[in-house]
Amino acid sequence: GQQLNQSPQSMFIQEGEDVSMNCTSSSIFNTWLWYKQDPGEGPVLLIALYKAGELTSNGRLTAQFGITRKDSFLNISASIPSDVGIYFCAGLITPGQGNLIFGKGTKLSVKP
Amino acid sequence: DAGVTQSPTHLIKTRGQQVTLRCSPKSGHDTVSWYQQALGQGPQFIFQYYEEEERQRGNFPDRFSGHQFPNYSSELNVNALLLGDSALYLCASSLYTDTEAFFGQGTRLTVV
Repeated sequence: GQQLNQSPQSMFIQEGEDVSMNCTSSSIFNTWLWYKQDPGEGPVLLIALYKAGELTSNGRLTAQFGITRKDSFLNISASIPSDVGIYFCAGLITPGQGNLIFGKGTKLSVKP
Repeated sequence: DAGVTQSPTHLIKTRGQQVTLRCSPKSGHDTVSWYQQALGQGPQFIFQYYEEEERQRGNFPDRFSGHQFPNYSSELNVNALLLGDSALYLCASSLYTDTEAFFGQGTRLTVV
């Protein structure tokens, strides 16, 4: 099935570092959602974006809806150990229709 | 306020058997979507139910079917199980007119 291109695939963080990840698509999306998934759990919604250029924050998390409507970015500032997990972007082409298209995820781990 | 609940949490089935997974949506939500998440991948959309009807369907064979009940809860049925059907099955609920989807913890299906 169709998936978004999400990068990086994985990254290591040290407590206090800022983290950036992004998601790109060949299709235009009308909505971008960012989720975090912990092992054995379902994805938890972090941020929803509805308009091109929109910048939205949720605590230390900030996400942006790209101007071209084909990409989105997620930043985590001053990372803490509980930020570890897998982050997924998801796009929706038609508002109100539930066919979310997901990226493959960015796995955040703690630096050894 | 109960979130999205799924049952069972884990299931082991034999190839060729049939399985039924269940989902209760978040209170106030009227729409249920089902996703399949293979190991190391993002969730893939199976179908969406609203007003007891299948509204959208992803690229899954007819072996995958579903149902929504008057109380908005939903079932996912998979017939003639294949080894490749082993995955985490996620249920997401939302309002039909809204975009934000909230996921349950998933059912881990293993086909042997």
